[in-house]
Amino acid sequence: AQSVAQPEDQVNVAEGNPLTVKCTYSVSGNPYLFWYVQYPNRGLQFLLKYITGDNLVKGSYGFEAEFNKSQTSFHLKKPSALVSDSALYFCAVRDVLTGGGNKLTFGTGTQLKVEL
Amino acid sequence: GAVVSQHPSRVICKSGTSVKIECRSLDFQATTMFWYRQFPKKSLMLMATSNEGSKATYEQGVEKDKFLINHASLTLSTLTVTSAHPEDSSFYICSAITRQGARGSNQPQHFGDGTRLSIL
Repeated sequence: AQSVAQPEDQVNVAEGNPLTVKCTYSVSGNPYLFWYVQYPNRGLQFLLKYITGDNLVKGSYGFEAEFNKSQTSFHLKKPSALVSDSALYFCAVRDVLTGGGNKLTFGTGTQLKVEL
Repeated sequence: GAVVSQHPSRVICKSGTSVKIECRSLDFQATTMFWYRQFPKKSLMLMATSNEGSKATYEQGVEKDKFLINHASLTLSTLTVTSAHPEDSSFYICSAITRQGARGSNQPQHFGDGTRLSIL
């Protein structure tokens, strides 16, 4: 079974400061990891993914995430937050080994609020 | 690229009505589409996986006869909420994977903008 945990319901950060949104995962084999962002009344937009290779993954809008196998984490980061980054962020995992037809398991989401 | 269009964006209807939601991949062929339900401030709950030309695979606890899914072509899947009741009110979101993604599971799902369903 695969699972994802986002321990923070909400993260508040001042504009210009670095931000981190936490994610930990559990899979039987190797993980494919994804971050998505959701704005109000919209679907999810893909930000970035980790498949293999370099542990630091760069994605859209200046976001990046670091894969840490020993800590089973995939935290989302941005060096300098913008007010427009305020949204709901979802971490998702797919277990490479399981069948299940490419199903993703999503975390519960973290609301990011960036204030002036 | 990889745009998914979902229609309608919002539906308000009376209890007992059946509602159809369409999910289209506009610039790619989607062998597999997914239907999710999202409650306020909650994560996405996968309802079913829709494969072109075959029956959808429903998640445990999702009523097949209540939520009818049809994936008639490589660019269109539909979700019909039959005899909708107020408890069916929710935000429904579809996603799709490209044909390449279907063979290699490292591709992201591409999401539609969702449908806000309100049953009075």
